[in-house]
Amino acid sequence: DTAVSQTPKYLVTQMGNDKSIKCEQNLGHDTMYWYKQDSKKFLKIMFSYNNKELIINETVPNRFSPKSPDKAHLNLHINSLELGDSAVYFCASSHGGGGGYGYTFGSGTRLTVV
Amino acid sequence: KNEVEQSPQNLTAQEGEFITINCSYSVGISALHWLQQHPGGGIVSLFMLSSGKKKHGRLIATINIQEKHSSLHITASHPRDSAVYICAGGTGNQFYFGTGTSLTVIP
Repeated sequence: DTAVSQTPKYLVTQMGNDKSIKCEQNLGHDTMYWYKQDSKKFLKIMFSYNNKELIINETVPNRFSPKSPDKAHLNLHINSLELGDSAVYFCASSHGGGGGYGYTFGSGTRLTVV
Repeated sequence: KNEVEQSPQNLTAQEGEFITINCSYSVGISALHWLQQHPGGGIVSLFMLSSGKKKHGRLIATINIQEKHSSLHITASHPRDSAVYICAGGTGNQFYFGTGTSLTVIP
């Protein structure tokens, strides 16, 4: 199936730990994104990345870092997890920056920090 | 004030009703997206608009660039349309998301 896949779907971890969320797309898209959806269901963009440029939302703490081993993957690493990091994180991809021809989203990763 | 505002925040409709969700934006955009988030959490991209109107099945999306306004219409609504609908507008790699409209369609 062509899709954006994220793993894990659920992640429960203690404060202070370091964790990663993986994202892979097999759509041949050139741009990938990470979004955070808070408890009020508000989606905020964290990063967008294509093979030329990483754009970081300046409000994102530097404990969050994207890692892209190749065009099909954009993983999210989070260091020193805090309670406020609890949220659902969505990966997405598109062909062209800004979702030029529409986004495809992953199914989300629900992160709970305890 | 958010760059993208949606109304209403919550909407309950009877099955078969015609539904309209509105989105206004205050920033310059090259495209506006309508997204659907199912109760289970998955997000689906419904439309991308830069002008005019698009139709897909019972869903219609319109955009008025001059008025900086877009609407999502659902004709003959069905309980399976129950979801959160989100509009997002922007340019380049910077997109702003509305807070979403939670739609419940009652049989």
